[in-house]
Amino acid sequence: QVQLQESGPGLVKPSETLSLTCTVSGGSISGYYWSWIRQPPGKGLEWIGFVYVSGRTNYNPSFKSRVTISVDTSKNQFSLKVNSVTAADTAVYYCARLQVAGIGHWFDPWGQGILVTVSS
Amino acid sequence: SYELAQPPSVSVSPGQTASITCSGDKLGDKYSSWYQQKPGQSPVVVIYQDDKRPSGIPERFSGSSSGNTATLTISGTQAMDEADYYCQAWDSNTAIFGGGTKLTVL
Repeated sequence: QVQLQESGPGLVKPSETLSLTCTVSGGSISGYYWSWIRQPPGKGLEWIGFVYVSGRTNYNPSFKSRVTISVDTSKNQFSLKVNSVTAADTAVYYCARLQVAGIGHWFDPWGQGILVTVSS
Repeated sequence: SYELAQPPSVSVSPGQTASITCSGDKLGDKYSSWYQQKPGQSPVVVIYQDDKRPSGIPERFSGSSSGNTATLTISGTQAMDEADYYCQAWDSNTAIFGGGTKLTVL
């Protein structure tokens, strides 16, 4: 059974870069799409983007200029970078596998999430 | 930009049927998914592609979609079903989530 685990700093200073890694265990990262989703405290879910193992990416237009998602198949990991963060980027960040089937895609499974706080 | 609207809260008595709606322009032409999130936990998919139930999800969870509305139905609601529920669809290669509905089992 595939499991995902987020890791990275829990505190980032304003204007700096948020960097997170998701480690996939119990299965290969190859052949799948992988995604990042975030949830500000007490609020709803917001999709950030996805990466395929080929390196192909697709980002939420609201993040497009600040976000990079990459994959490292040798480590069975994929990563997220968000540049120029502000307090509005404070959130629980989830990684998830994107199940692709025709035109109907869904997220399963999800990691446990990691809280990232942007503060000086 | 595309938006999905959900009622902020729905209440149901134990054993009764709960219905949570998700509205969006021509949503019935897209596939919808539903996620359950309990406090302090990660979301879990309970319905995908409008009406498909993943293995391990109880049969009391069902989904439907038509026109501008997708609906998650929980039959014989149990106390353990109390959670936040989010609908999700794709528009222009972007994943969109609804604002979430808090289901209270009274």
